[in-house]
Amino acid sequence: NAGVMQNPRHLVRRRGQEARLRCSPMKGHSHVYWYRQLPEEGLKFMVYLQKENIIDESGMPKERFSAEFPKEGPSILRIQQVVRGDSAAYFCASSLLTDQETQYFGPGTRLLVL
Amino acid sequence: GENVEQHPSTLSVQEGDSAVIKCTYSDSASNYFPWYKQELGKGPQLIIDIRSNVGEKKDQRIAVTLNKTAKHFSLHITETQPEDSAVYFCAASGTRDDKIIFGKGTRLHILP
Repeated sequence: NAGVMQNPRHLVRRRGQEARLRCSPMKGHSHVYWYRQLPEEGLKFMVYLQKENIIDESGMPKERFSAEFPKEGPSILRIQQVVRGDSAAYFCASSLLTDQETQYFGPGTRLLVL
Repeated sequence: GENVEQHPSTLSVQEGDSAVIKCTYSDSASNYFPWYKQELGKGPQLIIDIRSNVGEKKDQRIAVTLNKTAKHFSLHITETQPEDSAVYFCAASGTRDDKIIFGKGTRLHILP
């Protein structure tokens, strides 16, 4: 049973470009969460999604960031017009419908904005 | 909203000794307290969790305690080994939503 998968593992973008981060949840998991981790910091909640539905996006910056979890395919975290401050590790987690608190994390995508 | 404080930020322990990491939380409605271990370059790995109807839980060398009155919870690692070196995060979540609020982490060094 594969765990949470994220790709790419490392992503380098220049200022103004777009970054697309993908997350495939564990098999059977219907809930996806995105977190951001700055160096030497804990993880900060960004957004919580079910298939085709955003449940809670209270941690998402108001501009340039968006997330989706389509009926088919992985969840996507999209950052438009990236700035240097977007450089961070972005982690995805997934959980079961019946146990939403127990979240399993992927290996993360490390985004570097030049 | 919930706020989780974690101490210490760095901890060095002689191999074979015990390590204790402490956390406090602010929202009395929080009822689920997971602990994650993060090794360099990897994602956080759930190592143990405790729910508010339990005061203590143990899994081999790892134990967690919860004091709901004081809003404290702690991670105890006994007989530490080199592979225990990592960053450990405590977290809390409640019934109002499924957001997990993380502490800032403790970097644990196991000294040979």
